[in-house]
Amino acid sequence: NAGVMQNPRHLVRRRGQEARLRCSPMKGHSHVYWYRQLPEEGLKFMVYLQKENIIDESGMPKERFSAEFPKEGPSILRIQQVVRGDSAAYFCASSSSPGTGEEKLFFGSGTQLSVL
Amino acid sequence: GENVEQHPSTLSVQEGDSAVIKCTYSDSASNYFPWYKQELGKRPQLIIDIRSNVGEKKDQRIAVTLNKTAKHFSLHITETQPEDSAVYFCAASTGRNTGRRALTFGSGTRLQVQP
Repeated sequence: NAGVMQNPRHLVRRRGQEARLRCSPMKGHSHVYWYRQLPEEGLKFMVYLQKENIIDESGMPKERFSAEFPKEGPSILRIQQVVRGDSAAYFCASSSSPGTGEEKLFFGSGTQLSVL
Repeated sequence: GENVEQHPSTLSVQEGDSAVIKCTYSDSASNYFPWYKQELGKRPQLIIDIRSNVGEKKDQRIAVTLNKTAKHFSLHITETQPEDSAVYFCAASTGRNTGRRALTFGSGTRLQVQP
């Protein structure tokens, strides 16, 4: 079981470019969560997805940010027209417990986004 | 929504001593409380969790206690070792009734175990 896979590990973008972050959940998991972590800070919830559905996007900025989890392939977090303030570590997590409200989340290694 | 407060933000102990980290939560509907350990530059890893139907859970040197009435829970690490040095995060589940099933995390505690 390969665990949650994120790529790339490091991503450098110039202001105004687009950033695409990928996450493949653990085998058998159909729930994906994206969290953002600034240096020396905690994990801030962004979005929760199941296959082909966004369940909760209350933590994601309305502008420039979008997420998807297609039927086939990884989940994608897309940030358009990046700004310096988007620089952070973005962690993906997955779980397999549907509908219980008691999710064991398993995290990927994160993508460190740096905006120049 | 749920709000999780975590204290202290930093904690330094001597090897062999105990360490205690405390968290409070605001949403009385929360019913799942995990703890994660994050070493520098690495992913958060689940170390222990507790559900609302129990008051205490222990796993070797790690224990977690939950007081639902007071809405607080704590992580206890006994006989600390240098490899316990990391940032520890508490979290609370917002519960199925709200339609959200994501975890809300505390701000983290940086634990330093001095050899």
